[in-house]
Amino acid sequence: DSGVTQTPKHLITATGQRVTLRCSPRSGDLSVYWYQQSLDQGLQFLIQYYNGEERAKGNILERFSAQQFPDLHSELNLSSLELGDSALYFCASSVGGITYEQYFGPGTRLTVT
Amino acid sequence: GESVGLHLPTLSVQEGDNSIINCAYSNSASDYFIWYKQESGKGPQFIIDIRSNMDKRQGQRVTVLLNKTVKHLSLQIAATQPGDSAVYFCAESYYGGSQGNLIFGKGTKLSVKP
Repeated sequence: DSGVTQTPKHLITATGQRVTLRCSPRSGDLSVYWYQQSLDQGLQFLIQYYNGEERAKGNILERFSAQQFPDLHSELNLSSLELGDSALYFCASSVGGITYEQYFGPGTRLTVT
Repeated sequence: GESVGLHLPTLSVQEGDNSIINCAYSNSASDYFIWYKQESGKGPQFIIDIRSNMDKRQGQRVTVLLNKTVKHLSLQIAATQPGDSAVYFCAESYYGGSQGNLIFGKGTKLSVKP
């Protein structure tokens, strides 16, 4: 158990819908990272927050957004969902804002039908 | 269980043998590297890391070797056990930069035969 929690574990929704994925980092970690894992793209970095502020952006679509709250939990919002958004979404956390060991949560499996 | 990749390179080893998993990284400026293990249905699990000022680092049953000249990273697992069966990813980052994201390789599936 990494200490990072994610909810929900599974999510099934229809195209065009909007969903919110939730992540609680390990106690004491200030950074939260979101990654997407699909069969053909592997693990792709989406976005990083550090202590409530956006720190880095990767291959995140404009339809996706995220935020980190004062209690350091984070939410990833995915809107206007398409079939191709079906994937595993992982949250990871680390102590600092620059790369340290990142600890991954169990993931949320999103299926868009 | 879930598959994390349909076309991953696969390494099949006998229980008790040593395993070597290789990774070519992309950015010559990368100065921090991590190996992750991902079991079916789970998130990636940290195994070992190494900074670019080192060429070898040892953990419990695992050793990471870094060859910056050819941008190559390897993970050696001693006395491989069935519980080591998983997909292994290398990841790189520019530690000295302002961003904390990791760039992951495609992964190698390790299969341990009892």
